[in-house]
Amino acid sequence: DAKTTQPPSMDCAEGRAANLPCNHSTISGNEYVYWYRQIHSQGPQYIIHGLKNNETNEMASLIITEDRKSSTLILPHATLRDTAVYYCIVRLYSGGGADGLTFGKGTHLIIQP
Amino acid sequence: DAGITQSPRYKITETGRQVTLMCHQTWSHSYMFWYRQDLGHGLRLIYYSAAADITDKGEVPDGYVVSRSKTENFPLTLESATRSQTSVYFCASSDWGTDTQYFGPGTRLTVL
Repeated sequence: DAKTTQPPSMDCAEGRAANLPCNHSTISGNEYVYWYRQIHSQGPQYIIHGLKNNETNEMASLIITEDRKSSTLILPHATLRDTAVYYCIVRLYSGGGADGLTFGKGTHLIIQP
Repeated sequence: DAGITQSPRYKITETGRQVTLMCHQTWSHSYMFWYRQDLGHGLRLIYYSAAADITDKGEVPDGYVVSRSKTENFPLTLESATRSQTSVYFCASSDWGTDTQYFGPGTRLTVL
């Protein structure tokens, strides 16, 4: 799986959009970008994933650059409950989820009131 | 929709004792996983299972035993607990055809 680089921490004001960057310059053509988050003392939570097209769901949007070397997770209207560590994970699609996820250090996002 | 549950949520035990952590999922997902999370190491895969009666080692399997007699349950046993196994343990599951994993709330285990 390709290595990812994320800033260790970020602040965002409540109600504003939180934009979390991830660099994955060594990503290969068939590797997906996944985002998970972990709120303090809870299990990791899946947010969104994509291959090359931008994706949106009820939680967030994922913007992947055309060269796929970086991506941005967007939380459109951040709330205090979005304070968490956000993990960007790049991995091959295994077709059945048999591989464990490799979590890096992630970005600690702090939403300020 | 209970999803994935773990029990107990907190456990204190002594060195040398056997302890079993339970994981139960209601989605009939094929795959189940056990991770441990320690400061400075992030999440590390202990064991995983592709289906009932099929299990395989992950990154850090030593000192742990798993079984999966039913699709919905994936217990993790520490046969003789050591202090180094003090950690937070997370169970996860994923369905066939998807790589998305869904995690339980975790079990905080302390070995004295």
